[in-house]
Parts: sequence; structure tokens; C-alpha cells
Amino acid sequence: GDSVTQTEGLVTLTEGLPVMLNCTYQTIYSNPFLFWYVHYLNESPRLLLKSSTDNKRTEHQGFHATLHKSSSSFHLQKSSAQLSDSALYYCALNTGGLSGKLTFGEGTQVTVIS
Amino acid sequence: DMKVTQMPRYLIKRMGENVLLECGQDMSHETMYWYRQDPGLGLQLIYISYDVDSNSEGDIPKGYRVSRKKREHFSLILDSAKTNQTSVYFCASRDINSGNTLYFGEGSRLIVV
Repeated sequence: GDSVTQTEGLVTLTEGLPVMLNCTYQTIYSNPFLFWYVHYLNESPRLLLKSSTDNKRTEHQGFHATLHKSSSSFHLQKSSAQLSDSALYYCALNTGGLSGKLTFGEGTQVTVIS
Repeated sequence: DMKVTQMPRYLIKRMGENVLLECGQDMSHETMYWYRQDPGLGLQLIYISYDVDSNSEGDIPKGYRVSRKKREHFSLILDSAKTNQTSVYFCASRDINSGNTLYFGEGSRLIVV
């Protein structure tokens, strides 16, 4: 079946330093859609950004990610972490079928310190 | 503004009791979901509903059932709750007009003692 792997469970960063969260996936479908959702404490998880075509960068709110089908990856990056980026980040996979099933990774808890 | 509402937000139940978690959305989305969130496991899919009375098991349906009698409402039922069902439960609905974005509720924290 489909799966998503986020290798870092907990990440602690210093404000101003770059952020990179890893996401790799497995699926038999040739045209997957990848998403990053962010879950701030005491709020609802919400969409941060979603993939475009292969090798095309997508950006939102200072974060960016590029879908690389060759390596089955969709890593999340930001050039400079802010204290307000502290949250739980989920990578998710949708294979575009009628089911609309979204498979989530284990999540990466990010804490930004000053 | 798109909104998904969950009730109750917090619930403590004894083992063996029945639990009803309710979810509502005002966007007329056809597809709705129930997930549970556990540390280190991420969001795990319990059930999907494609519309009224059209439900399908997700990855971890055992011990749960669902009901959808109106498009706006999707209920998760635990018959005879178990301690390992202590978790935070999230409902979501899918917006096919925005690239299949999921809109989540604020979660229902269930503790089974």
C-alpha cells in the first residue's frame, strides 16, 4: 500500500537558521500528489502547501518544497526559521484516485528556540 | 469561511461505555474523514465517507463504526470503548475545488479509563 516516511520525529532549531524536513513516499501510482500540513497547538491541522508537477517548486508562507519523482521525495524547506514556526508538520500523499484517501506520515514536531 | 466543527472537544469515558463523536461541515463537501492522532504514529485514517450512507473503511477501522445520514454530518461511534482508543480524533472534509485540500476540525480528545 501507499506510505509516507518522515525521518525526523523531533527537530529543535535556532531562530534564523534554515529548516529542512524530510519526506519520502512509496506508491505504485505514477502521478501522486504530495502535501504538507501544519498543526499548531490548540488549532486544527491545515494545509501549508501542495505539490505541483515533477521538479517544480511550490511556495507558501515562506516555505517551499519540490516534488522529485525520481527520488520519491517532497522535502519541506525554509531559509530562516521563526519562533512562530514551532508546530507539528505532516507530509501527506494522495494518489489522485476516486477514494481521495490521504496517507499521512508520522509527523515532525518542530521547536524553534531563540 | 470554511469550517468543520467537532463535538465534544473533550470526553472521558469508562472502558466498555459507548462513545459518540460528531462532526459537521457547512461547505457541502461530499467526502469526509475520521482520523486519529497519536504521538509517533501521525494521523491514521479510520473511515472515509463519500456521501450519505456511502462509507468505506480506512486503515484502522477495527473497534469503530460511522454514520452519515446527512451530507453535513459525519459521526464516529465506539461501541464498548477500550483504553487503547484513548486518542485525539480529527474529522475532515475534502474540497475538490481546491486541489483536494482537507479541512480539519479542532479535534476531540477522548480518554478511556
